[in-house]
Amino acid sequence: DGGITQSPKYLFRKEGQNVTLSCEQNLNHDAMYWYRQDPGQGLRLIYYSQIVNDFQKGDIAEGYSVSREKKESFPLTVTSAQKNPTAFYLCASSKGGTSGGTYNEQFFGPGTRLTVL
Amino acid sequence: AQSVSQHNHHVILSEAASLELGCNYSYGGTVNLFWYVQYPGQHLQLLLKYFSGDPLVKGIKGFEAEFIKSKFSFNLRKPSVQWSDTAEYFCAVNRAGSSYKLIFGSGTRLLVRP
Repeated sequence: DGGITQSPKYLFRKEGQNVTLSCEQNLNHDAMYWYRQDPGQGLRLIYYSQIVNDFQKGDIAEGYSVSREKKESFPLTVTSAQKNPTAFYLCASSKGGTSGGTYNEQFFGPGTRLTVL
Repeated sequence: AQSVSQHNHHVILSEAASLELGCNYSYGGTVNLFWYVQYPGQHLQLLLKYFSGDPLVKGIKGFEAEFIKSKFSFNLRKPSVQWSDTAEYFCAVNRAGSSYKLIFGSGTRLLVRP
């Protein structure tokens, strides 16, 4: 059963702590993405990776870090430097490549809701 | 910078009413266009997409959207909504061939009253 899994579903963090959100895909997709969703703001891109061992900052990368050591995994670390980390975090993947079209269609995981106490 | 505008933030309709949600984008080149839907408690899922060809695209659950290049618009329509269409709808745009980035609109919350 192909898809994207994110864990945990809910995460609570104390101020000043780093926390890592997991994202795994078995779709054999090259590209993976992290978004942050806040009410009334849609989805904003945090980081994306087009290929293993390579990633680029998105629009709101400050206070976040990622790694892409394996094709199927793209974990996101929310660091203590992130000023307002409470949000819903979505991971996505796509086939990738520069052909455009269907290769840019993104598939989303179920999300992780992070709350800072 | 590229942007996507969804002008209706909240829409309330009765069942069987017709739906049209607006989406406008700012990029002037070739684009890929998407509508995603997020039902309460569920994954964000693709409703329909436009890459090229016929500007009127049909998606799942009776939804359709029309790409009007001259107006930079990709409005979502459904002739008769159902209570189960209650969800949040997101328009997204991607610059074809040059970037992986999807730019999302701020979303429209649709409530369908039975």
